[in-house]
Amino acid sequence: DSGVTQTPKHLITATGQRVTLRCSPRSGDLSVYWYQQSLDQGLQFLIQYYNGEERAKGNILERFSAQQFPDLHSELNLSSLELGDSALYFCASSFLARGSTDTQYFGPGTRLTVL
Amino acid sequence: EDQVTQSPEALRLQEGESSSLNCSYTVSGLRGLFWYRQDPGKGPEFLFTLYSAGEEKEKERLKATLTKKESFLHITAPKPEDSATYLCALNSGYALNFGKGTSLLVTP
Repeated sequence: DSGVTQTPKHLITATGQRVTLRCSPRSGDLSVYWYQQSLDQGLQFLIQYYNGEERAKGNILERFSAQQFPDLHSELNLSSLELGDSALYFCASSFLARGSTDTQYFGPGTRLTVL
Repeated sequence: EDQVTQSPEALRLQEGESSSLNCSYTVSGLRGLFWYRQDPGKGPEFLFTLYSAGEEKEKERLKATLTKKESFLHITAPKPEDSATYLCALNSGYALNFGKGTSLLVTP
């Protein structure tokens, strides 16, 4: 158990819908990262937040957004869902911010299925 | 641009048959090379971080090594419970840049 929690574990929805994925980082960690894992693309970085502020963006679609709240939990919002958004979504957390080499610890993931 | 390439894509071993997984990388300035283990449908589990050429780290039957161009994950006398996908990643300054992984199957 990494100490990172994610809810829900599974999510099944229809095209065009909007969903919210939730992540709670390890106690004491200030950074939260979101990754998407699909069969053909592997693990892809989406976005990072540090202590409530967006710090870095990766291959995140405009239909996707995220935020980190004062209690440091984070939410990833996916809208206008398409079949190709079906994937595993992972949250990771670490203590330090950008430029550090600290370890990222991953949560158990949310499996999103878009029908 | 940082790149990570893992080989082989899949590896099947008999229990007790030692082998190595390869991670080739190109990076402008190494800020850490990470190894993770991932079981099907689960989140990646941290194994090792290596920072400089010549560095080695061990954990049970696993040993990770690093050169200026490659990292190896050596598995000694593997057991069926070592079956998983092993992921290599570079720290790009803010995120991890992952390879596609090596899927390892250890049969009794």
